Amino acid sequence: EVQLVESGGGLVQPGRSLRLSCTASGFTFHDYAMHWVRQSPGKGLEWVSSITYNSGAIGYVDSVKGRFTISRDNAKNSLYLEMNSLRPEDTALYYCAKDGVPLRIAGRGYYFDSWGRGTLVTVSP
Amino acid sequence: DIQMTQSPSSLSASVGDRVTIACRASQSISTHLNWYQQRPGRAPNLLISAASSVQSGVPSRFTGSGSGTEFTLTISSLQPEDFGSYYCQQSYYVPFTFGPGTKVDI
Repeated sequence: EVQLVESGGGLVQPGRSLRLSCTASGFTFHDYAMHWVRQSPGKGLEWVSSITYNSGAIGYVDSVKGRFTISRDNAKNSLYLEMNSLRPEDTALYYCAKDGVPLRIAGRGYYFDSWGRGTLVTVSP
Repeated sequence: DIQMTQSPSSLSASVGDRVTIACRASQSISTHLNWYQQRPGRAPNLLISAASSVQSGVPSRFTGSGSGTEFTLTISSLQPEDFGSYYCQQSYYVPFTFGPGTKVDI
């Protein structure tokens, strides 16, 4: 059974940093692209970032470019999101999600077939 | 960025009803369109990928169709457990945008 467990969320002041982690189990982690998706309280879903299975390609939504960094450690079955210069509008539940196709090189066609329960990030003075 | 719209934004239906949710992309995305269901307090769950490919374990009452800019999710016979919000998502261009969601009440 695929399991994705996010951690690292919390209350942080604007301008500060936070590092989210996602620990994966139940599948061959190093074969799959991984993604971060967020959801502001009571709002819809927003794709944040993706990383291919070998970290060869990475993408971000414009609103986090230059502030957030996605990375992965395949030896530790872990995905990360380093978030700097946090803003109140970054307040959201951050989900880690697994891609549905192994060894995908190109970004086109991604779909998120397993999700964690999310970790809440609150940016407030 | 590709803009995704959904209609209706909400609907109320009865058990057994046929329900259709529309999703439109601001430019052609071929069939790179996915559908997710999200029940309150839960993570999203993938229903359909590539416009019409139903995921393993998803009841056969869920079907998807469309290509280009116009897509449809159909629930052939609504069940009590189908309440929640439904989101379409394009995976053709970065950023991989989601629609605003359709809330289904039963």
